[in-house]
This record gives sequence, structure tokens and C-alpha cells, in this order.
Amino acid sequence: DGGITQSPKYLFRKEGQNVTLSCEQNLNHDAMYWYRQDPGQGLRLIYYSQIVNDFQKGDIAEGYSVSREKKESFPLTVTSAQKNPTAFYLCASSKTNLAYEQYFGPGTRLTVT
Amino acid sequence: AQTVTQSQPEMSVQEAETVTLSCTYDTSESDYYLFWYKQPPSRQMILVIRQEAYKQQNATENRFSVNFQKAAKSFSLKISDSQLGDAAMYFCAYREGGSEKLVFGKGTKLTVNP
Repeated sequence: DGGITQSPKYLFRKEGQNVTLSCEQNLNHDAMYWYRQDPGQGLRLIYYSQIVNDFQKGDIAEGYSVSREKKESFPLTVTSAQKNPTAFYLCASSKTNLAYEQYFGPGTRLTVT
Repeated sequence: AQTVTQSQPEMSVQEAETVTLSCTYDTSESDYYLFWYKQPPSRQMILVIRQEAYKQQNATENRFSVNFQKAAKSFSLKISDSQLGDAAMYFCAYREGGSEKLVFGKGTKLTVNP
């Protein structure tokens, strides 16, 4: 089945450690996105990539980094510089035609203590 | 900057009844797209319905329909014959033509009572 996978579903880390969240898609979509969701908030865009080896900052990129070495994969690293990393992280992908909707993965809940 | 406002943090509806969720947005653009996403307790975001701003006809997907009022910048979602499985958070989202960004509202929590 085509879709987006994110692993793991729950992730726990100690403060000061970097952690990488994975996102893989087999939809043959060119564009991929990372969002952060906090309680009572909508989704906020962290980074997005329209093509391999290229990506752009979203609204809240500070403390995060990404890479796009393969079309299918768009991992997100939460660095120790991110002040409030505990959140629910959602990955999405879409065709690059901007009329198309974004499809979302199941998300990763990151808890940093 | 574009903003999306969902003025109803919570709504409830009786099973089989109809409910309307409100969404307004702020933009000076004429080319844009609007979406409603559903987030059930599993937290997977699921697209419910989309509307292109250039289309006057309101989008419909089975029991889900929208009332798109472009001049008023309003994009409400109507759910007919509500089912228990419709219980979820519903997010309205805006995407400007030429932009990759989706701007989300803060969501409306829908409860469906049996």
C-alpha cells in the first residue's frame, strides 16, 4: 500500500541529546514537509522540501535540521538547541502542483525530559 | 500574513443529526485553496474535503459539504447524518497559490453523542 510511515510512534530522550525522526513515503511525491503540533494549537511548519537535496525553512525552523538525500526520505533532527522539543511531529508529502493536498503520516510523539 | 480562525473550540452533535463547523480566513490573494482535515484520536490527519477559490460551486464529499463564501472569507464544513466515527478534531487549512505552506486553524473538537 502507498503511504507515509513515521517511526517510532513514541520517542523519549534526555535533555541535551539530539534525536532524529524518520519519515518515508512511497507515493512518489516530490514535496515533503515537517509539522509540529502542540496542545490547543494547529500545525506549524518546520521545514519543507520540494526536491531532493533542497529544502526551505518554515515558520519554526530554529533548533531543527533536515536532509533530503532521497526522494522517499525526509528525516528531521531535533537538536539540543530546540528549547521546547516535546511535541507531536507530523510528516506530510504532496505532488508539487500546488493544487494538490498534503497527505500525512501517523506522527511521532517526542518527549524530552 | 494569512491567518485561519476557527471560532468554535468544541462542538457536539447527536448521532444522525447535522452539524456545521466554522472557519474564516484572512488573505488579500485571489488564488488559493482551502481544506478541511480530520484528526481522530489516532492523531493521523485525514483530508476531508478541498475547495479551489476560483470555483464557485461548493465542494461535496458524501456526507461532507462546504459553504464557501469568498467575499466573506468564510469556509464552513457541514457534516450530515453524523456518525460516531466522525468524532475528531477538525482543522481548517489555507494554501496560497504559489506557496508550499499550509496555514492551519487551531481546530474544533467534535463530539458525537449516541
